[in-house]
Amino acid sequence: GENVEQHPSTLSVQEGDSAVIKCTYSDSASNYFPWYKQELGKRPQLIIDIRSNVGEKKDQRIAVTLNKTAKHFSLHITETQPEDSAVYFCAGPNTGNQFYFGTGTSLTVIP
Amino acid sequence: GAGVSQTPSNKVTEKGKYVELRCDPISGHTALYWYRQSLGQGPEFLIYFQGTGAADDSGLPNDRFFAVRPEGSVSTLKIQRTERGDSAVYLCASSSSGGARTQYFGPGTRLLVL
Repeated sequence: GENVEQHPSTLSVQEGDSAVIKCTYSDSASNYFPWYKQELGKRPQLIIDIRSNVGEKKDQRIAVTLNKTAKHFSLHITETQPEDSAVYFCAGPNTGNQFYFGTGTSLTVIP
Repeated sequence: GAGVSQTPSNKVTEKGKYVELRCDPISGHTALYWYRQSLGQGPEFLIYFQGTGAADDSGLPNDRFFAVRPEGSVSTLKIQRTERGDSAVYLCASSSSGGARTQYFGPGTRLLVL
């Protein structure tokens, strides 16, 4: 089955700096890679996703890059703000319909 | 439109009791997923429904856990003979179809087994 590894587990950045979170996967047939943001006590919410036919996708301050050869995809947040503080999860489906989530990255943006 | 809803939001029960957790997916979504999330962990897959049938139940930890979706909409996760280790947040998600589609999560049910 799919194995998704996520790093780092915790990340602290100064407000205005960039944050990068990386996930690696094992199933070369995976074709969809979402990123979820979860605030304390709240539900996970999709912030951006990418499909395997593109290498990068950007939405304002958030971008995701995909390297299919190396089997990793990364979340990039630029000009971080305190409200970006949350836990971020990557996920990847296997060739079936399961979604395997990473272990999460706790991001703290220091004002 | 309305998002995914789950009831109850919190459930406290005693070890050995039976509990039912309910999920109302987004209208028209054929795919429904149940996950379990422990503190500090990512959601852990339990079961996936496509329509009324359980297309993949390989994530259910043991035979105390069972889920149904009789009419292809609302789903109920049932846990028999609850154990303290079952304490977690149970999340439901739905998508327009299975596979590579965005999953929309409900707020979860926080289960505490005493």
